Amino acid sequence: GIQVEQSPPDLILQEGANSTLRCNFSDSVNNLQWFHQNPWGQLINLFYIPSGTKQNGRLSATTVATERYSSLYISSSQTTDSGVYFCAVIKAAGNKLTFGGGTRVLVKP
Amino acid sequence: GAVVSQHPSWVICKSGTSVKIECRSLDFQATTMFWYRQFPKQSLMLMATSNEGSKATYEQGVEKDKFLINHASLTLSTLTVTSAHPEDSSFYICSAKGWGNYNEQFFGPGTRLTVL
Repeated sequence: GIQVEQSPPDLILQEGANSTLRCNFSDSVNNLQWFHQNPWGQLINLFYIPSGTKQNGRLSATTVATERYSSLYISSSQTTDSGVYFCAVIKAAGNKLTFGGGTRVLVKP
Repeated sequence: GAVVSQHPSWVICKSGTSVKIECRSLDFQATTMFWYRQFPKQSLMLMATSNEGSKATYEQGVEKDKFLINHASLTLSTLTVTSAHPEDSSFYICSAKGWGNYNEQFFGPGTRLTVL
C-alpha cells in the first residue's frame, strides 16, 4: 500500500513563531487532506488539497503531486494551534484515506 | 456544512457485552462511511468501509464478526463491537464522504470505548 511519512514527529514552538510541517507519500494520489486533531480527539478538516496551494487565515498548504509531497505552513502560531496534525492521502483509483504518523505540535505561551 | 456526529462520545462496559456506536451525517448524504480506530499517541487505522445498502468491506486483520457494521441509510452507519474485551478499548472514529462538494471526508468527534 501507499506509505505516508510526516516530519517532524514532534514540534515545540514559542507563541508567534512560524513553522512548516511536511508530508511525503510514496505513490500518485488523487486526494490529500490535512487535519488538526484537538486535545479531545476531534479531527478538524484544514485543507483538501490534492494539488496546488491554498490559504486559510494563518495556515497555508501546498501540494506538489509530481514530487509526492505536501507542506503545511503555520504562521504566527498560537497556543490553540497545539495538537496533532495529520496528513492523509487517497492513492490514484482508490477511495481509502491512508494517514501519516502525525506531527505533534505544542505551542508555548 | 459537512457535520458528522457520533453517539455515544464515551462508553464504559463490562467484558463480554456488546456496544453499538452510531455515526450520522447531519447536513449531507454520505455515499460512503468509514470506521477508524486510534490507539493512544498513534495514527488512525482504517477498519472498514461501508456503502449504504451493501455489506461493509473490512481491512485485513479486522474481524468482521466482532465489528459489525450496518449502513442502513445515506445518513446513518453503526458499528457494533460484539463480546467486547479489554483489548478492544480504543478511540473509534467514523467519517463520511458524499459527492460533489462533499467528496472529501469529514470526521465525527469519536467514541472512547473502555472495556473493563
